[in-house]
Amino acid sequence: EVKLVESGGGLVKPGESLRLSCVASEVSFADAWMSWVRQVPGKGLEWVGRIKSASSGGTKDYAAPVKGRFILSRDDSTKTMFLQMNSLKTEDTAVYFCVAGVLTFPLWGQGTLVSVSS
Amino acid sequence: DIQMTQSPSTLSASVGDRVTITCRASETISHWLAWYQLKPGKAPKVLIYQASKLESGVPSRFSGSGSGTEFTLTINSLQPDDFATYFCQQYENYYSFGQGTKLEIK
Repeated sequence: EVKLVESGGGLVKPGESLRLSCVASEVSFADAWMSWVRQVPGKGLEWVGRIKSASSGGTKDYAAPVKGRFILSRDDSTKTMFLQMNSLKTEDTAVYFCVAGVLTFPLWGQGTLVSVSS
Repeated sequence: DIQMTQSPSTLSASVGDRVTITCRASETISHWLAWYQLKPGKAPKVLIYQASKLESGVPSRFSGSGSGTEFTLTINSLQPDDFATYFCQQYENYYSFGQGTKLEIK
């Protein structure tokens, strides 16, 4: 079964860091463009960032609210994508989903909750 | 950033009804729009891509239309399984999503 599984969420204080992981199974991960999408409880979805496949240049793009604070990376040998979140703010509190897709997102993980609170 | 405005936020309907959900983009996105269905505890499912193309396996009662800045998702002859949340997503310039429409049983 094709799956994406996120981990690494938790409760942190403003200014602290957290690293999320997303492990893929039964997916041609090396060819996949991977993104993070977050959802504030009760609100809509917000794209966070994208890392392209190496064959597409491996480019990393970020949404304005997280640019300069969040860093994407991937390890194709272990089919894992990472999101290093630094200088966390209370407004970063959300469920973070790992998603795969170039234009649309046909594959989603179950999400991991990140709570930023003093 | 392209803002996506979806309406209504909640829609009450009965089995057999025809419903329409609208998504408006803050700037033209050509036909680079997708519609998703979201159910509790499940991953979002792509229904429509490129504004009007039906994803494989999606029932034909779902249809999408529009281009530029105005788009609609229509569901004909609502079935019990269709009561869910729907949201749009543009992919003209990176990605952004509508706020979602919760389709409830009247």
